[in-house]
Amino acid sequence: GAVVSQHPSWVICKSGTSVKIECRSLDFQATTMFWYRQFPKQSLMLMATSNEGSKATYEQGVEKDKFLINHASLTLSTLTVTSAHPEDSSFYICSAREAGGRVYGYTFGSGTRLTVV
Amino acid sequence: DQQVKQNSPSLSVQEGRISILNCDYTNSMFDYFLWYKKYPAEGPTFLISISSIKDKNEDGRFTVFLNKSAKHLSLHIVPSQPGDSAVYFCAASMSGANNLFFGTGTRLTVIP
Repeated sequence: GAVVSQHPSWVICKSGTSVKIECRSLDFQATTMFWYRQFPKQSLMLMATSNEGSKATYEQGVEKDKFLINHASLTLSTLTVTSAHPEDSSFYICSAREAGGRVYGYTFGSGTRLTVV
Repeated sequence: DQQVKQNSPSLSVQEGRISILNCDYTNSMFDYFLWYKKYPAEGPTFLISISSIKDKNEDGRFTVFLNKSAKHLSLHIVPSQPGDSAVYFCAASMSGANNLFFGTGTRLTVIP
């Protein structure tokens, strides 16, 4: 089955630094990848949708200059949290949809726990 | 605006009994619904889905029921097993849209 690898699984960084999270589709090509954020005991909230070779589409309220998304290839999307602050601490999850695959075939990465101290 | 709602944050069930997880939605444009299972510090894994043209879909111990008029769906797990203990999210999508809309999740605990 389709596998999405997300790295790192956890990261602790100092306030003001930037953190990059990678999301790779291992055995399929993903034209569209999604980045979600989950706060404790809350739902997965879509942050942005990234399409290979074009600019990401951000959801309302998500700062595009703070959460930089790059989808440079059909197998890799990255999320960079710039100038991280403690309030950015959260669980970030990516998902990918296979190019030409089932319309609703979403595969999720294992998530990244970000802690900003 | 939470378009997909799971009003029960938690549910405890005895092993071997039936677990029923409920989900309500508000957007009548949703035409495909999915259930995901999530363990702590892991990404969600797909469980089962149902198209709006159906009212039931069954896969082994898992059955999803859809009541379009009530904008309600439910996931039945029978018999429940301790390994089923996790957080279950329902999600909805609509034709032409890329993303999924998730509910807030229900934490299921199956007691041995």
